[in-house]
Amino acid sequence: GQQVMQIPQYQHVQEGEDFTTYCNSSTTLSNIQWYKQRPGGHPVFLIQLVKSGEVKKQKRLTFQFGEAKKNSSLHITATQTTDVGTYFCAGLITNMLTFGGGTRLMVKP
Amino acid sequence: NAGVTQTPKFQVLKTGQSMTLQCAQDMNHEYMSWYRQDPGMGLRLIHYSVGAGITDQGEVPNGYNVSRSTTEDFPLRLLSAAPSQTSVYFCASSYGGELFFGEGSRLTVL
Repeated sequence: GQQVMQIPQYQHVQEGEDFTTYCNSSTTLSNIQWYKQRPGGHPVFLIQLVKSGEVKKQKRLTFQFGEAKKNSSLHITATQTTDVGTYFCAGLITNMLTFGGGTRLMVKP
Repeated sequence: NAGVTQTPKFQVLKTGQSMTLQCAQDMNHEYMSWYRQDPGMGLRLIHYSVGAGITDQGEVPNGYNVSRSTTEDFPLRLLSAAPSQTSVYFCASSYGGELFFGEGSRLTVL
């Protein structure tokens, strides 16, 4: 079964609201990566986290890696219509990068 | 640089037909992989390769073959297509960190 789970599957927000997606693994991850896929497009790399408890920021996006290296989150502050898309986490487990099911973000202007 | 190039972009097959999805990268990446994407399932790893001459199975390898005779190319072969293989296929390469994805190949098996 899928080793990396992601919630929620969908999220509708009003423009300006915050958004968070959560990623959980049944096994310890070597690292975790986050990708964004626009509708009709291909996944595009956002960031990689490697250290336990690591927090990284990219403008309005904040990424966290859990202390046990089994969970991660992506938080977007004050969403914009350009944030629309599906956000995927991907955990490295023994040479295989395993993706979560993704969270599809829809933003109402 | 072209990055990761996949062909064809669209393909319709009949059940039982065989075909090859092509993937080429010009970034000299050792790691290459194939994923399939189905609604609500995210991306599932089919096969991957850590270098020329080396391939390994991912999460969903059944019904697919791969080979890696050169660093640049990593073709995915469907030996006898089935409707369950209707999906969008993505090839990706990496130098060891982030994955660079191709544009995808949409395959429909009737």
